[in-house]
Amino acid sequence: GQQVQQSPTSLVLQEGENAELQCNFSTSLNSMQWFYQRPGGSLISVFYNPSGTKQSGRLTSTTVIKERRSSLHISSSQITDSGTYLCAMEQGGRALIFGTGTTVSVSP
Amino acid sequence: GPKVLQIPSHQIIDMGQMVTLNCDPVSNHLYFYWYKQILGQQMEFLVNFYNGKVMEKSKLFKDQFSVERPDGSYFTLKIQPTALEDSAVYFCASRGQGAHTGQLYFGEGSKLTVL
Repeated sequence: GQQVQQSPTSLVLQEGENAELQCNFSTSLNSMQWFYQRPGGSLISVFYNPSGTKQSGRLTSTTVIKERRSSLHISSSQITDSGTYLCAMEQGGRALIFGTGTTVSVSP
Repeated sequence: GPKVLQIPSHQIIDMGQMVTLNCDPVSNHLYFYWYKQILGQQMEFLVNFYNGKVMEKSKLFKDQFSVERPDGSYFTLKIQPTALEDSAVYFCASRGQGAHTGQLYFGEGSKLTVL
């Protein structure tokens, strides 16, 4: 089964709304990373977040390694936030494994 | 921030032909990766490479695939011969610390279309 589960699969927001994206891991992990993928396909690293809470502008990531979960909070969403958010985990001795993503669509 | 460059951005070839995808990793990075993403599907690991050797590869890394980085130049993914199911976007990534520590930096992807 999927080692990295993301929810929801998709999300539709009105501009200005907040959102919370979830990432759950079925196995223990060393670290994880959040990425943003533009509709055109390029991948941008949002957070490298082994543990704890990090904030960058309107984005906040919280990872609890021992509970095998991470969340990405978007506050005051903007149209430019539209795209797919991917989380990925590293298990001991393994390469980065990606989830299936959450597609976010923000409308005016 | 650090940049990983990929060339070409898009290539169209006939089934059975050879293709080489090039990656210019972040300067001083030592660990290199290829990932494959079919349109609308999950990003999947292919292979990682360090010190001239493949360290780990997935089932998707078929015998027709090979990687190398001759003399510190481009890190390349070669597919010979190509098949229809190889159509996808291939992403290169690099990191500077240990093989499984530190942030991975990704390129913009090379879209491969096999006809």
